[in-house]
Amino acid sequence: RKEVEQDPGPFNVPEGATVAFNCTYSNSASQSFFWYRQDCRKEPKLLMSVYSSGNEDGRFTAQLNRASQYISLLIRDSKLSDSATYLCVVNMGGGSQGNLIFGKGTKLSVKP
Amino acid sequence: SAVISQKPSRDICQRGTSLTIQCQVDSQVTMMFWYRQQPGQSLTLIATANQGSEATYESGFVIDKFPISRPNLTFSTLTVSNMSPEDSSIYLCSVAEDPGNIQYFGAGTRLSVL
Repeated sequence: RKEVEQDPGPFNVPEGATVAFNCTYSNSASQSFFWYRQDCRKEPKLLMSVYSSGNEDGRFTAQLNRASQYISLLIRDSKLSDSATYLCVVNMGGGSQGNLIFGKGTKLSVKP
Repeated sequence: SAVISQKPSRDICQRGTSLTIQCQVDSQVTMMFWYRQQPGQSLTLIATANQGSEATYESGFVIDKFPISRPNLTFSTLTVSNMSPEDSSIYLCSVAEDPGNIQYFGAGTRLSVL
């Protein structure tokens, strides 16, 4: 089983749609969780951290389910500018300091 | 977040040559890392650059192929040695204040080896 798995997509949605991405991770000892956004031919940029209680930032909501070892990202009222690849990132913990594991990413394309 | 300057932004190199990539941060940072991202793939950690000591390499990466320097808390270099076409990839540096926490990335170096 891969350490961090995501549906690669692409997700093609119209503007204004709500879209959700899921990500599963293999190590139950993982401590930190993030969603990064990567635009085409650009570096990854932090979108948001994911907390156990769930967190929201504007149109974006992230949730963590430790029991099932998955993380989700919900985007409401999609904008054209949301088109990008969304990377699920997990710190494997267990003394692996700085060892973030990146998923392959889920590609989102928002159409007019 | 720190401002990270990475150069060159891209290069085309001949087989058998070496390329050194530089990563400069505008403030002192605890952790610096080097990643590779091959086309259509996720980021793979090459090594953690340790200030004043040898880098810590991940499985599958060795110092002879990817020598790394980190002379101070704001600068690091990655050299891709004796390049082959299989080394064509994007190389990214990142920084973090705390181990295992949020990392910020440089813009990357797009390397093509002919």
